[in-house]
Amino acid sequence: DAGITQSPRHKVTETGTPVTLRCHQTENHRYMYWYRQDPGHGLRLIHYSYGVKDTDKGEVSDGYSVSRSKTEDFLLTLESATSSQTSVYFCAISAVRMNTEAFFGQGTRLTVV
Amino acid sequence: DQQVKQNSPSLSVQEGRISILNCDYTNSMFDYFLWYKKYPAEGPTFLISISSIKDKNEDGRFTVFLNKSAKHLSLHIVPSQPGDSAVYFCASRDSNYQLIWGAGTKLIIKP
Repeated sequence: DAGITQSPRHKVTETGTPVTLRCHQTENHRYMYWYRQDPGHGLRLIHYSYGVKDTDKGEVSDGYSVSRSKTEDFLLTLESATSSQTSVYFCAISAVRMNTEAFFGQGTRLTVV
Repeated sequence: DQQVKQNSPSLSVQEGRISILNCDYTNSMFDYFLWYKKYPAEGPTFLISISSIKDKNEDGRFTVFLNKSAKHLSLHIVPSQPGDSAVYFCASRDSNYQLIWGAGTKLIIKP
């Protein structure tokens, strides 16, 4: 299994509070991604990174920011959580941009109350 | 407007029979198509893929068929096994190298 860890695995937070999710990899892959999964929508790309300090927006980036200060860590921040951000968040890594060998973490279930 | 659609939310198949999962897309510029499998409480895992220049790709019990004129792809699993019970997502790669995902089909293999 690819070395990719998400933390926390579960989190409940209140509306308006900041939340940071962490993705850590031990594979030294260049590309890292944050997705959210909601019923009826499959997975949707929030942000991705193509190197340290290099990030770009995905399909549903509003309300989210990311940072990548080290190759192994990719952080997703909700500056002020809203109920619409209740979702399951997945981090993924790949050696080549959006290639078939994207490995996913186990997911973080975030509930905003 | 969903560009990748999996119209069957669930599918139930007898063990040993063929499972056929379907996926339709709208964007003719998609150049690569993938199937991922997901178990509960786990992340998706890559299963099989196909380039737009091909119409079939086979890997063991799994075969993906691509019909570009119909903008349709399907995943065949033969024979179906209990461990195949999972949610299957199809995904298509667009010109920006982003993956557009379907909503998934839950496959249930009955013993």
